[in-house]
Amino acid sequence: AQSVTQLGSHVSVSEGALVLLRCNYSSSVPPYLFWYVQYPNQGLQLLLKYTSAATLVKGINGFEAEFKKSETSFHLTKPSAHMSDAAEYFCAVSGASNTGKLIFGQGTTLQVKP
Amino acid sequence: GAGVSQSPRYKVAKRGQDVALRCDPISGHVSLFWYQQALGQGPEFLTYFQNEAQLDKSGLPSDRFFAERPEGSVSTLKIQRTQQEDSAVYLCASSLRGQDYGYTFGSGTRLTVV
Repeated sequence: AQSVTQLGSHVSVSEGALVLLRCNYSSSVPPYLFWYVQYPNQGLQLLLKYTSAATLVKGINGFEAEFKKSETSFHLTKPSAHMSDAAEYFCAVSGASNTGKLIFGQGTTLQVKP
Repeated sequence: GAGVSQSPRYKVAKRGQDVALRCDPISGHVSLFWYQQALGQGPEFLTYFQNEAQLDKSGLPSDRFFAERPEGSVSTLKIQRTQQEDSAVYLCASSLRGQDYGYTFGSGTRLTVV
């Protein structure tokens, strides 16, 4: 069965510091993996996705993530945090039936301190 | 319009009342998904349409929940006899093809049952 675990419901970093948001997945089939960002009272916006091409995926706003099959991980990083990065981040894995259905993690709230 | 439009943005319902939530997807998008996001949680899949066909309704939590997309465009999620546990944000997403995972999410409808 497909599942996602996001380690750490809240992460706090200083402005300019490295951002690392952790995601581990479980999948019975080769997965597609996604990171979404959600700002208050808004829908989800796709940051990046892994669809079995390059294992290092670059997304918008300077974010990137690396697919590590051996560790079943897809951690999200950004070298230098901006205040505008403060938001809720969700990792997601594709459903086994490949209909487009996504299974989301519980989310990680990123706080950026000045 | 350019994005996925959901209405109303906010809905307060008295327990036992029926509600209808509307999603207007991007024109030409074949696939449409509904997700439920409880407070502090990640979105959870409810149902999926390909054109007017409801291909997966495995996530609907009870027979009080019903979704339709009669002409393959606008979709309505109906909840009968609302309960407090139905309070959540209901997100709609559409994509050109479900399998491309190229979702665009709407801003959601926040339902509060009192």
